[in-house]
Amino acid sequence: GAGVSQSPRYKVAKRGQDVALRCDPISGHVSLFWYQQALGQGPEFLTYFQNEAQLDKSGLPSDRFFAERPEGSVSTLKIQRTQQEDSAVYLCASSLDETTVEQFFGPGTRLTVL
Amino acid sequence: KQEVTQIPAALSVPEGENLVLNCSFTDSAIYNLQWFRQDPGKGLTSLLLIQSSQREQTSGRLNASLDKSSGRSTLYIAASQPGDSATYLCAVDTSGTYKYIFGTGTRLKVLA
Repeated sequence: GAGVSQSPRYKVAKRGQDVALRCDPISGHVSLFWYQQALGQGPEFLTYFQNEAQLDKSGLPSDRFFAERPEGSVSTLKIQRTQQEDSAVYLCASSLDETTVEQFFGPGTRLTVL
Repeated sequence: KQEVTQIPAALSVPEGENLVLNCSFTDSAIYNLQWFRQDPGKGLTSLLLIQSSQREQTSGRLNASLDKSSGRSTLYIAASQPGDSATYLCAVDTSGTYKYIFGTGTRLKVLA
């Protein structure tokens, strides 16, 4: 499809495990965003890439969270030593470039930490 | 710190009613404001974008207004339909990089 895809769609992890969440943006999109959405809340910004450069990571809640986009396309959000409070839906969005307003969102990955 | 609040948190209306969703933000220094729709298990879909210099935007049965000075936006939905049932999220961009700050959303249910 032509939209933003995320995998896996659902992930259950035991507390303390590491997880990796993948985002495939729309082909050619320069900007990529990660958001965390807790149950019943709005999404909260985590980090922003322009191509492979991570320009803003101010929203990452702790140093257990790490995001990368090494070739400027696919991005991975990694969470080390998961904790129960990490349970949320992780949304990825992409946009054509830094001047384009419209962001296209993926369906999200629902992470449950037991 | 910018805070975005949406009222009401949930709303249930009969089909055909016109309705208004409210969004307020604490810092009027915004670049733009967007209204999104979120269906269960799906990502967000942009409905309307209002640039900081604009007062309103319209798309079909939807009309969004922006009053920066008072820190408020409203989303007006005319002649509501069951297919409008979803969570509606308001988000503001305060950095010019489209890093949005979202409200908690209004869960709308339109009854047939």
